Amino acid sequence: GAVVSQHPSRVICKSGTSVKIECRSLDFQATTMFWYRQFPKQSLMLMATSNEGSKATYEQGVEKDKFLINHASLTLSTLTVTSAHPEDSSFYICSARDGTSGTYEQYFGPGTRLTVT
Amino acid sequence: EDQVTQSPEALRLQEGESSSLNCSYTVSGLRGLFWYRQDPGKGPEFLFTLYSAGEEKEKERLKATLTKKESFLHITAPKPEDSATYLCAAYLINTGNQFYFGTGTSLTVIP
Repeated sequence: GAVVSQHPSRVICKSGTSVKIECRSLDFQATTMFWYRQFPKQSLMLMATSNEGSKATYEQGVEKDKFLINHASLTLSTLTVTSAHPEDSSFYICSARDGTSGTYEQYFGPGTRLTVT
Repeated sequence: EDQVTQSPEALRLQEGESSSLNCSYTVSGLRGLFWYRQDPGKGPEFLFTLYSAGEEKEKERLKATLTKKESFLHITAPKPEDSATYLCAAYLINTGNQFYFGTGTSLTVIP
């Protein structure tokens, strides 16, 4: 149980284009989803939190117009990196939490490696 | 300032050599302490949740414990497949679901 998938696992795009990453909870309802960014040999940096049907809450320093997050259903959240630049190259990981379970665990997806050329 | 600190940063063990990883936290209002395992190029895999001081959880060669100031992840007779980065995270009251992650301990188990 508690499986989260991400697609694609790897993506290469050209500078100035947009990229969409999907995050799905496969066997539970994700009332809250999180998007993280991870640089090599560093810990996870929270980018934003989204509750189903609501606007995402972005962490300080994260540009909401650049990193568009949509959480339209209880099983799907998307992160769109708009007008990507090489400095956006990173490992993006989503996680999901079932707020109805009474527990607080976050279950993580396998991550998406984004390379902007 | 709320902080989660893990030590050591890196640990090399011989197969079968037991040891412990530390996660210390200076946070107020701890609601839960979580341990995850992360393999290179993968997302973190959930291991344990600890909610109160004195609580212990076990899974195979791993045992997690919690005190009022720190948590330990004990690894008994590790195998090479236990090599990974182990992350701890604190979940606080009134933080809007946010986890505070430590920087992780990179464990290498040598055959």
